[in-house]
Amino acid sequence: GAGVSQSPSNKVTEKGKDVELRCDPISGHTALYWYRQRLGQGLEFLIYFQGNSAPDKSGLPSDRFSAERTGESVSTLTIQRTQQEDSAVYLCASSLSPTLGGEKLFFGSGTQLSVL
Amino acid sequence: GQQLNQSPQSMFIQEGEDVSMNCTSSSIFNTWLWYKQDPGEGPVLLIALYKAGELTSNGRLTAQFGITRKDSFLNISASIPSDVGIYFCAGQPNSGGSNYKLTFGKGTLLTVNP
Repeated sequence: GAGVSQSPSNKVTEKGKDVELRCDPISGHTALYWYRQRLGQGLEFLIYFQGNSAPDKSGLPSDRFSAERTGESVSTLTIQRTQQEDSAVYLCASSLSPTLGGEKLFFGSGTQLSVL
Repeated sequence: GQQLNQSPQSMFIQEGEDVSMNCTSSSIFNTWLWYKQDPGEGPVLLIALYKAGELTSNGRLTAQFGITRKDSFLNISASIPSDVGIYFCAGQPNSGGSNYKLTFGKGTLLTVNP
């Protein structure tokens, strides 16, 4: 596609439920990133994919968070047993190659997650 | 870990005024980036700075990479209503293979009164 696409754009869930957030990166981009943006805060790095592998998962807040990528394309971020503190905007970004550096990141519009 | 202090947190200005915002870091970055985020959208890159002391312009925007490599500022001249949004600074390290991992400031919310 023309840009990074994320779905759903908004997700409201009940505490304790699992959620899946989807990211479709720009075609041909080998690197994919997930960031979290809490209200009034900057973006926090969660995880980075190179192809289908995740060499850096250091930003995942807890073992309730996981992510996968298939076909060097779509990525899914899964949050199990959601808690209210998980409420945030989850942003996905992609780049042609990680060696090009952060300046070549293209962000999606994010998924606004609200946990009641 | 690395932290960025971005100020001011918010600004409310009149159309036509100039704006200045800055970021300081407790550690050195090799690249400074400035992004703008509109409501409901992801951040969009405005300016990238690669060398200490570098001064770069993009239309009405000017940004500088501090000599110490621990700070950067962004100026917007002659503001217009569409400048409204949240402006983020971000630093990129060059340590080993982790130069993909950006550290973001908390943002400056800019409101422009027509």
